[in-house]
Formats: sequence, C-alpha cells, structure tokens
Amino acid sequence: AQSVSQHNHHVILSEAASLELGCNYSYGGTVNLFWYVQYPGQHLQLLLKYFSGDPLVKGIKGFEAEFIKSKFSFNLRKPSVQWSDTAEYFCAVNALDNQGGKLIFGQGTELSVKP
Amino acid sequence: NAGVMQNPRHLVRRRGQEARLRCSPMKGHSHVYWYRQLPEEGLKFMVYLQKENIIDESGMPKERFSAEFPKEGPSILRIQQVVRGDSAAYFCASSSTSGRINEQFFGPGTRLTVL
Repeated sequence: AQSVSQHNHHVILSEAASLELGCNYSYGGTVNLFWYVQYPGQHLQLLLKYFSGDPLVKGIKGFEAEFIKSKFSFNLRKPSVQWSDTAEYFCAVNALDNQGGKLIFGQGTELSVKP
Repeated sequence: NAGVMQNPRHLVRRRGQEARLRCSPMKGHSHVYWYRQLPEEGLKFMVYLQKENIIDESGMPKERFSAEFPKEGPSILRIQQVVRGDSAAYFCASSSTSGRINEQFFGPGTRLTVL
C-alpha cells in the first residue's frame, strides 16, 4: 500500500533558524507531490507542488522542496523561519495510476517557532 | 472567486444520531474529495466523487457512511448512528480535473463531536 512518512512530529526552532522537514513516500510509479500548511484555526493551504520538470520547487513564503526520486523523498526547506511560520505541515502524494486524484498524507509535523 | 465551503463548521451529535456534512466546491470544479482527520493523525482519504457518480470510495468505512454529489447542490457526507470514534475533522477538497495536473483546494473543515 502507498504510504507517506514524515520523520518529525514536532519541531521547535528559534526565529531565523533554518528548517528542513523530511518526507518520504513508498510508491514506485509516477507521482505528484505536495506540501500543505495548516495555520492554527485555519484550513489547509497549498505551499508548493511538484508535477514534473525541475526537482527543486519554490513555493510561497520562501519555502522550497526538492524531489529526489532515487530516495523517494520530498523534503521541505526554508532558510530562515519566522514566528508566523508556526503551523502544522503536511506532505502529500498523489500516485498517478490511482483512479482519480486521491491524496495520501503524512501524519503531519507541528512546527513551533519561538520569537 | 469563493473557495471551497463547508457547513456546518462545528457539529455536535449524541451517539446514535445522524450527521450530515455539506461541501460546496469551488466554482467550476466538478471533482470532490472527502478526507477525515482523527486526533493526532494526518488526513485520510475517504471518497472521491464527480457529479452524480462515486468514483473511488476505497477509504469509506463499510457501514454507516455514505456520500453523494448530486447534479444540483452540494456534496453531502452522511454518517448514520454516529459513535464516539467518529469524532474528527472532516475536510472536503475540490479540483477542476483528476488528470495529470491535479491540484486540490481544501475547505475549512467540519469538526464533528460525538457525545
């Protein structure tokens, strides 16, 4: 069965620290990859997505992610976090031989940024 | 352009009652997905619908749960005879396509509490 694993359940950083959140998936075929963010009390918003092409993807708010096919990974990075980045982050995969486009989500990483 | 709308935002039911959750997709979107987020877990796919059709219900519990997306009106997720274990956040997402390029937009969720 397809699955997505996020290595860190809770990350605590100080402002200006660098961030890297790990995401690995298990599926051998072609995939679309996503990172979503959920700010406290709000709904999921798309941070960035990978469909094809350049494996280094830039998203909103200074986030980027790199797709490494050989490692089945799609790690999220940001060089310098801000207090406003405090949120829960979800990695998601859409395996393209699925019937339709259902997303398989990781369990989420809660990021707390200290001012 | 209004986003995905869900109502109610919060729903309280007693064990044995029925819960009806509504989702209006974004304008122009004909694909609807329902996901459930249990406490301390990531989102889990439940069902994928197009207008008047259930395309993939592989994530739906076998009993008590049903979903529809009629020709007119919102998509409905119905839970009969609710139990405490149904307490969760239920998210709806919509997309304009299910093909190679498939980006899903999420609603704010309905938080169901079963007493």
